[in-house]
Amino acid sequence: NAGVTQTPKFRILKIGQSMTLQCAQDMNHNYMYWYRQDPGMGLKLIYYSVGAGITDKGEVPNGYNVSRSTTEDFPLRLELAAPSQTSVYFCASSYRDRGHQPQHFGDGTRLSIL
Amino acid sequence: DAKTTQPNSMESNEEEPVHLPCNHSTISGTDYIHWYRQLPSQGPEYVIHGLTSNVNNRMASLAIAEDRKSSTLILHRATLRDAAVYYCILTNTNAGKSTFGDGTTLTVKP
Repeated sequence: NAGVTQTPKFRILKIGQSMTLQCAQDMNHNYMYWYRQDPGMGLKLIYYSVGAGITDKGEVPNGYNVSRSTTEDFPLRLELAAPSQTSVYFCASSYRDRGHQPQHFGDGTRLSIL
Repeated sequence: DAKTTQPNSMESNEEEPVHLPCNHSTISGTDYIHWYRQLPSQGPEYVIHGLTSNVNNRMASLAIAEDRKSSTLILHRATLRDAAVYYCILTNTNAGKSTFGDGTTLTVKP
């Protein structure tokens, strides 16, 4: 059972470059999330999705874009990389129905912008 | 979104119980209390959650105040592997998102 898979694990980008962080889950979860975590800090929500075709902004969406064309995948796009986007990025998923289910996190993507 | 407040850090001795507090004075009736922990260089992992009643699982216990404005995560016998950052967050029935604070860094001394 793979759970939440993030690729790549590490990446170094130059200022102004673009890239897509991949996230896939095999648990048939309807909710998916992208967080960033700066050194010594907690997680901040970038974007989230409540189902295929539906996305919404979190606390810190500027400089990022997302799409959710399938239940399984939730890629995060950086269009013009800036040094302030150096961070660890975590993807998570959960199943929401009437009750509450925990979020399952991936292992993260460590991104440096130089 | 309702916020939570946790101490920045706590220390414990190995094999002793640990009580990690969380204040959430603006909690609403539809907010669940979730606890996660994050080991060094890993993603957060779920620990426990509850709504009104105290909860127990194999990892920990969650004690929720009667007015629900605070809760306590209880690790019954701390081990060195329990050293982590512990996050208390509120998850609303009607909302798709949750807010993580900076958590409590737990240090376990041998």
